[in-house]
Order: sequence, then structure tokens, then C-alpha cells
Amino acid sequence: SAVISQKPSRDICQRGTSLTIQCQVDSQVTMMFWYRQQPGQSLTLIATANQGSEATYESGFVIDKFPISRPNLTFSTLTVSNMSPEDSSIYLCSVGEQLRFEQYFGPGTRLTVT
Amino acid sequence: AQSVTQLDSQVPVFEEAPVELRCNYSSSVSVYLFWYVQYPNQGLQLLLKYLSGSTLVKGINGFEAEFNKSQTSFHLRKPSVHISDTAEYFCAVSSQTGANNLFFGTGTRLTVIP
Repeated sequence: SAVISQKPSRDICQRGTSLTIQCQVDSQVTMMFWYRQQPGQSLTLIATANQGSEATYESGFVIDKFPISRPNLTFSTLTVSNMSPEDSSIYLCSVGEQLRFEQYFGPGTRLTVT
Repeated sequence: AQSVTQLDSQVPVFEEAPVELRCNYSSSVSVYLFWYVQYPNQGLQLLLKYLSGSTLVKGINGFEAEFNKSQTSFHLRKPSVHISDTAEYFCAVSSQTGANNLFFGTGTRLTVIP
């Protein structure tokens, strides 16, 4: 399976600021996803990062709050904009292939907003 | 849309005892099924998956799961647990048609007691 890294691994940010999280894969992959895991809860899909086009967002998530880039087949970024304490979560990227269905996850970025 | 129910939020079990973690799903279309494990402060690791074929699937670390279509269940089992199995376990489903989005259950915290 692909090796996935995320930067930063954790951060503490002030209310009103923005943080960009990077996801790097060691091989080209078709699909990349971004998930949020709020404290003590399960994972919720934020969006699918599409290479060369706008991301596809799930209900409840908007581009202005969570802009995503995917410039190539091995890299994506998620920005959490205008942060509030409610954005404190673990953010995970995952990768998958079109006909393989399973996803592989990065180690996550633990974000705390004060 | 799909949904996943993990009825047990916490399961304590003594070392070397058997364990079953329950997962039920709801979907109007055929699905693929997955179990992921999350060790403390780490990302998610794929334990096993059911795509087609035999309803009994074997995964890593001695875990297995059985797909029961009539009961819409995909329970995870291990005949003898170890201390190192202490972790959070997530059941997830993905539609066989359309996007590869994963829908996760709320997780089951397995604690192995020495």
C-alpha cells in the first residue's frame, strides 16, 4: 500500500487564523480524500480532492471554509480557514484507486484552536 | 445513502479471551465493507475488507469478519486477544456504485485487560 505523510502532525492555532495541511503520497494515486475526526467521534468525509479540478464537497462542508488543492497525483492540501474552537479535530487524508475501493490513511494532523 | 451502526462503544475483554465487535449497516444499494483499526495517536489501518466471494474474510493480526447479507451485518471477531489489540475499531461501508466514499461507524473502543 502507499506510504502517506501529513504535515504538520499537530498544531495549536488561534481563533480567526488559517492552517494549511499537506498530504504527500509516495506513488501516484487516482483518488485523494480529506476526513475530519472530531474529539471522541468517528470520521466524516469533508471532500474528495480531484486532480486538476475543484474538489467535491460533502454536505455541510464548503469551499470557502475548507479550500482544497490537488496539483498532481501525489500531493494535496487542505486549508482550514477562519478557525474557531469547533474546528479542533484530527484531519486525515486518505488515498484510493478507482477499482480497488479500499482507502489508506495518513497519520493525521491534530489541530487545536484556542 | 449508507449508514453504519456500531452498537458497542466500549468492549472490555480479558487477555486471551475471544471478542466480537458488532457492525450493522443500512444501504439501498450493494456495498463493500471494511474494518479499520486506530491505535492511540495514529492514523487508521485497514484490518480487512469484503468485496465479494466468501462471506468469511480474514485480515491482519488474526482478525476475521463475516458478512451476513440477510442481517446486514459485518461483525469482527478474534479468538484470542492480546494486550496489543487495545485500540479503536471502525466499521465502514462504501457503495458499489458511484464514488468511493467511505461511511464510518462511531467506533468501538476495545480494551484488553491483563
